[in-house]
Amino acid sequence: DIQMTQSPLSLSASVGDRVTITCRASQSISTYLNWYQQKPGQAPKALIYVASNVQSGVPSRFSGSGIGTDFTLTITSLQPEDFATYYCQQSYNTPYTFGQGTKVEIK
Amino acid sequence: EVELVESGGGLVQPGGSLRLSCAASGFSFGNYWMHWVRQAPGQGLVWVSRISKDGIITNYAESLKGRFTVSRDNAKNTVYLEMQSVRAEDTAVYYCTRGGDRGFDHWGPGTLVTVSS
Repeated sequence: DIQMTQSPLSLSASVGDRVTITCRASQSISTYLNWYQQKPGQAPKALIYVASNVQSGVPSRFSGSGIGTDFTLTITSLQPEDFATYYCQQSYNTPYTFGQGTKVEIK
Repeated sequence: EVELVESGGGLVQPGGSLRLSCAASGFSFGNYWMHWVRQAPGQGLVWVSRISKDGIITNYAESLKGRFTVSRDNAKNTVYLEMQSVRAEDTAVYYCTRGGDRGFDHWGPGTLVTVSS
């Protein structure tokens, strides 16, 4: 199975900060990497697909990059509604593994 | 508008069985692979299973093979997850999600399965 490792697992940030979350795959997955946001008590929400494509309706402050084994999710100018847990996921092959999640908290 | 709604969760005894359903609407159901993802209390997301557009191809997380069965009825726009010989560690919220070129772009609200005596 492909292992997905996120870092950091948690971070504290202020409104307006730039936040970067990294995700590393245990083998090359090309750009088959997706990002999701989950708030407490809610289902995950799709943010980014195929490493760098923003889902429809997602604010432009969210962006993704990477190829191969190393990927990043960047949130420019963090907003109050962005405090949540973020997961990366590989869709290169089954099982479609997720990272452990990164919890973004208010500083 | 795309909508996915899971049902069938609840309390089940260890060793028992349960069938989850996911009703889809707002898109051409038969044109999409469908997936199940679960989340144990306070834990992360875990992919469970997927089924092809026509229902012929199914895949499972290795640890669940033989106990869980995914199926679909394209005439009813519904995907199912049959859970057998359930264990305490199967306690989780189960989500159904639509798969495709854009990843898992739509999710249901989830249904909670609690395995306990």
